[in-house]
Amino acid sequence: DGGITQSPKYLFRKEGQNVTLSCEQNLNHDAMYWYRQDPGQGLRLIYYSQIVNDFQKGDIAEGYSVSREKKESFPLTVTSAQKNPTAFYLCASIRTGTGGVDGYTFGSGTRLTVV
Amino acid sequence: KQEVTQIPAALSVPEGENLVLNCSFTDSAIYNLQWFRQDPGKGLTSLLLIQSSQREQTSGRLNASLDKSSGRSTLYIAASQPGDSATYLCAVNPGTYKYIFGTGTRLKVLA
Repeated sequence: DGGITQSPKYLFRKEGQNVTLSCEQNLNHDAMYWYRQDPGQGLRLIYYSQIVNDFQKGDIAEGYSVSREKKESFPLTVTSAQKNPTAFYLCASIRTGTGGVDGYTFGSGTRLTVV
Repeated sequence: KQEVTQIPAALSVPEGENLVLNCSFTDSAIYNLQWFRQDPGKGLTSLLLIQSSQREQTSGRLNASLDKSSGRSTLYIAASQPGDSATYLCAVNPGTYKYIFGTGTRLKVLA
């Protein structure tokens, strides 16, 4: 079955440490997205990529970095510059060029906690 | 700037009741609107997707309507069950494939 796989499910980060969250999709979707979810604040867009080797900042990109070397993969690195990284991180993808007729597909999320 | 609002933020109903969840958006220029369900600690599961040219979509006990001119969508759940307890989110696609999300309605169906 096609879908999006996020790993790990839980991640603990020490102060000053960079960590990388994995997002892999086998849906042949063109565009991929990273969202952050905090209680009571809804989903906020961190970065997105609509084509391989290209990505754009979202609304809250500071302290995060991404790469898109393969169509299937869109890893997110949370750097030490992100002062409040504790949150639930969600990866999504969509097939473009169709007017978005298929809508978003989401992964199961990664919960990141600073220890 | 497009804004999406969902009211109420939380709702408790007895089992068997029919209920309506509301979603409003400020800019009617949308490609489509998507309703999701989220269980605690889980990702989002797509429930229904309504294109801008459609008025409603149905899946089982769920029916979603769209009124672009008034900037509103509703999700109707018939004969609610305890298993329907979850957070329901709506999101609009303004044409850029960057969906804008509401903050959700947390539903609890009491047995």
